[in-house]
Amino acid sequence: DADVTQTPRNRITKTGKRIMLECSQTKGHDRMYWYRQDPGLGLRLIYYSFDVKDINKGEISDGYSVSRQAQAKFSLSLESAIPNQTALYFCATSDEPGQGSYGYTFGSGTRLTVV
Amino acid sequence: KQEVTQIPAALSVPEGENLVLNCSFTDSAIYNLQWFRQDPGKGLTSLLLIQSSQREQTSGRLNASLDKSSGRSTLYIAASQPGDSATYLCAVRRGAGANSKLTFGKGITLSVRP
Repeated sequence: DADVTQTPRNRITKTGKRIMLECSQTKGHDRMYWYRQDPGLGLRLIYYSFDVKDINKGEISDGYSVSRQAQAKFSLSLESAIPNQTALYFCATSDEPGQGSYGYTFGSGTRLTVV
Repeated sequence: KQEVTQIPAALSVPEGENLVLNCSFTDSAIYNLQWFRQDPGKGLTSLLLIQSSQREQTSGRLNASLDKSSGRSTLYIAASQPGDSATYLCAVRRGAGANSKLTFGKGITLSVRP
């Protein structure tokens, strides 16, 4: 099994629909992140969580919400999808920074298309 | 604000060539730097992680160096192969507390011609 699993892998949805992207990790790390990737804009941070009770907005949180259901699970919701939220979405997990850090581990991504 | 730059955006080389991918960052107060590989439409695979106290890391044909004082890192690929064709992203991690997050460059898309 992959260290970070994202579901679904691909999704097409209509404008105005609510959609949830799910992420689970088996690394045992406390920190989890959601990014989106757009051509020419690179990776941008949407939300991050440093433990189960901690949720923080990233650079581009408008239109999104998250839920940290457990240490291993972090879901991203689009409350009312719009076409400019069409992108490749990545979930990631990391340990705390330090000399023994393993860095970030990313999932395989969810390709979301809003029509 | 930390900015990470990778130039050029795209690179095409013949198979067998040794090549260097560059990454520069504006704030030298980083914790570590990570190089990733991304195949089209796929996820990010971590290649090498260099801690701020280290100068380089090696894995197989890959060698990454870090010069914190000048804000630069290079990824050296020896004897390139068509299978190395992908986008290579550099990311720096700053701080050790609540602000400890990754800042990414936009990547270098590498094409290795047979």
